[in-house]
Amino acid sequence: GQQVMQIPQYQHVQEGEDFTTYCNSSTTLSNIQWYKQRPGGHPVFLIQLVKSGEVKKQKRLTFQFGEAKKNSSLHITATQTTDVGTYFCAGGGATNKLIFGTGTLLAVQP
Amino acid sequence: NAGVTQTPKFRILKIGQSMTLQCTQDMNHNYMYWYRQDPGMGLKLIYYSVGAGITDKGEVPNGYNVSRSTTEDFPLRLELAAPSQTSVYFCASSRSSGHSGNTIYFGEGSWLTVV
Repeated sequence: GQQVMQIPQYQHVQEGEDFTTYCNSSTTLSNIQWYKQRPGGHPVFLIQLVKSGEVKKQKRLTFQFGEAKKNSSLHITATQTTDVGTYFCAGGGATNKLIFGTGTLLAVQP
Repeated sequence: NAGVTQTPKFRILKIGQSMTLQCTQDMNHNYMYWYRQDPGMGLKLIYYSVGAGITDKGEVPNGYNVSRSTTEDFPLRLELAAPSQTSVYFCASSRSSGHSGNTIYFGEGSWLTVV
């Protein structure tokens, strides 16, 4: 079945360093969504990408959808302690369900 | 605007007991979902519903049951609780299919421990 993997599983950075998480699907996606889950909290929608090669920015966050629509990335410039949490990608594809990735836990040391 | 509300927030169950996690949304969303999240892991879809009276299995439905008698409510029933069901449960909803690009809104989660 459709699988969505994320790497790395965990990343520890110093405040001010950049961070990138990668999302890879076993099948072509119709769209990709990104969610953030703070420790002890619930997932919260960040953004959606639909077009091949699409790039969107939210302040220090840059989201990219691959040309083949099978991968995506989230890049955070100059991390802050408020960026701490788990970042999930979620892809819509061959099945009629949105499949969540395995998540990347970001720890930011002040 | 409350969004997605689920209760209880915390619960401890003994092996073999049954319970119902309640979920209600006030956004008039057609789609509702139940996910479970084991510690340090991702989200696994248990059951989902595309509208009142319609439910379907997700990735991990065994040991659970759902019903959708109204648009607003989507309770999750655990029968004969087992330690493997210790997890955080999230109810969620979306206007239309999350698969088609609609944002999924999550409740705050229910922490369940089976001992």
